Amino acid sequence: DTGVSQDPRHKITKRGQNVTFRCDPISEHNRLYWYRQTLGQGPEFLTYFQNEAQLEKSRLLSDRFSAERPKGSFSTLEIQRTEQGDSAMYLCASSDPGLAFHEQYFGPGTRLTVT
Amino acid sequence: AQSVAQPEDQVNVAEGNPLTVKCTYSVSGNPYLFWYVQYPNRGLQFLLKYITGDNLVKGSYGFEAEFNKSQTSFHLKKPSALVSDSALYFCAVRDRGSTLGRLYFGRGTQLTVWP
Repeated sequence: DTGVSQDPRHKITKRGQNVTFRCDPISEHNRLYWYRQTLGQGPEFLTYFQNEAQLEKSRLLSDRFSAERPKGSFSTLEIQRTEQGDSAMYLCASSDPGLAFHEQYFGPGTRLTVT
Repeated sequence: AQSVAQPEDQVNVAEGNPLTVKCTYSVSGNPYLFWYVQYPNRGLQFLLKYITGDNLVKGSYGFEAEFNKSQTSFHLKKPSALVSDSALYFCAVRDRGSTLGRLYFGRGTQLTVWP
């Protein structure tokens, strides 16, 4: 079990640039979640995939945000035309459908700083 | 609407003393309840969960939590704190009626255990 991995761990970008983050879930976990965590706050849900299907999106996920999970394995989260308010920690989590009421396992996160 | 409240931003306790980190919730229906811990520059780590059954649930590293339905609380406890328990603790809730699995988190409580 290698855990959930995320890449990059840190990203600094200038306002207006596009950024893309990657998440590799625990193998055989078919559920994948993206959350955003700002300083002093708990994680806030962004979106959820079951296999390759994106089943739920938060209202926090504006039109500038897009997430994909093309083959039901890794996922990418892209932010277009970044704004300073996008600065946050972006967390990915996965869960095992074989466990009832399964807990989510989180990756280390990608810290985005928009200057 | 689902929400989680952690009324204390910080909890300070001496090593060897018992600790309690408080959590109350509001959900439409019966919840699934979780505690996660976050160490600096790391992702969230699952501690324990309440699904059903015994109101006292035991988790990792000697932590336990008590579910109180009438008070809508799920306080995290440990009989004897360690300096290494110092971290940021998050309470989270999931709607039992949802098949989607998104978690709602509190703002977090910073636990400091001094020697």
